[in-house]
Amino acid sequence: DAGVIQSPRHEVTEMGQEVTLRCKPISGHDYLFWYRQTMMRGLELLIYFNNNVPIDDSGMPEDRFSAKMPNASFSTLKIQPSEPRDSAVYFCASSARGNTEAFFGQGTRLTVV
Amino acid sequence: EDQVTQSPEALRLQEGESSSLNCSYTVSGLRGLFWYRQDPGKGPEFLFTLYSAGEEKEKERLKATLTKKESFLHITAPKPEDSATYLCAVQAASNQFYFGTGTSLTVIP
Repeated sequence: DAGVIQSPRHEVTEMGQEVTLRCKPISGHDYLFWYRQTMMRGLELLIYFNNNVPIDDSGMPEDRFSAKMPNASFSTLKIQPSEPRDSAVYFCASSARGNTEAFFGQGTRLTVV
Repeated sequence: EDQVTQSPEALRLQEGESSSLNCSYTVSGLRGLFWYRQDPGKGPEFLFTLYSAGEEKEKERLKATLTKKESFLHITAPKPEDSATYLCAVQAASNQFYFGTGTSLTVIP
């Protein structure tokens, strides 16, 4: 398996634009997590899914953020409209056993100017 | 308030010089404590999960231990390839996850 695949690896966008981050989890994993990492706040869990259903989205910072998982092999994290303070590295992770042994993707570095 | 604090923020060791990283936590009902390793430009890599006080887990030169207030990641005879940032996280009874800001470890040959 190629591991968790995220795209794009880097995204630069202007304030106010819509941004969509994509994730393909490891086949067979039924948990999917979206994280955000910044120097100031470290790693934060935004939302996680189990069997494509959102379980806990209490980490989603604002209504500008939304996440979907239409099937077991694909998830998106959307920011609309984007703001400079959204600049961070966004990680997707998947697991077959909750947060135990979660495998992370390479991340998407988002810069909002 | 639930929180996780890691110390030190940065640690420089000579190759072969054993040491420990600390993760102290306050959380309502611990469901699990997790250790990850993160290399620059990469996602975290899972190392261990600990569930109850007194539990220990080992992997190569690393050993993680857990008490009711803190966890230690012991590194025995480290090598330069152990250089990375080590992250600690806890899962509360509410299912909320809290991460520490990490310890940046540098092992000098």
